[in-house]
Amino acid sequence: AQSVTQPDIHITVSEGASLELRCNYSYGATPYLFWYVQSPGQGLQLLLKYFSGDTLVQGIKGFEAEFKRSQSSFNLRKPSVHWSDAAEYFCAVGADNNDMRFGAGTRLTVKP
Amino acid sequence: EAQVTQNPRYLITVTGKKLTVTCSQNMNHEYMSWYRQDPGLGLRQIYYSMNVEVTDKGDVPEGYKVSRKEKRNFPLILESPSPNQTSLYFCASMTNLYEQYFGPGTRLTVT
Repeated sequence: AQSVTQPDIHITVSEGASLELRCNYSYGATPYLFWYVQSPGQGLQLLLKYFSGDTLVQGIKGFEAEFKRSQSSFNLRKPSVHWSDAAEYFCAVGADNNDMRFGAGTRLTVKP
Repeated sequence: EAQVTQNPRYLITVTGKKLTVTCSQNMNHEYMSWYRQDPGLGLRQIYYSMNVEVTDKGDVPEGYKVSRKEKRNFPLILESPSPNQTSLYFCASMTNLYEQYFGPGTRLTVT
């Protein structure tokens, strides 16, 4: 079965700084990869997804992620963080059998 | 507006008292699922349903039941809740492109 690891439990960045959140997965074939964001007291919202094709995918709110097969990674990036980006971010991996696995999440704090 | 709704949003109950958390989606999605979220563990799937009358266990199904009698509804039933089921629960529905739409969550406390 696939699994997802988010190595960073908590990250703090200054507003305006760049951001990279790490995600590593384990899966035998090319998985479907997702990033979700959860604002305090809210459900999860899909930021972006990768199925195939171009390994750099663009999402909502100015986020992007890059699929690197050789590193089994799907890191999320944003060039300039805004205070409203403070939230918890989840990486997820899915497969054709509808099995979906989520990472433990990375909490992002944005300093003024 | 496309959405997934859950009720109740907050629930405090006692051990052994049966409860149901309702979930409804208005997007005509065939696939629905239930997750629980616990600190440090992310989201773990409890049950999922690929269509009406088709349900299957996820990673942590013990102590839970589900039913799918209509496409839009997917209730989660705790027949005899225990304190270790205190958690934040999310219902989700999924498009055929594997994009999940989540409800706002139900915070359950079992004393």
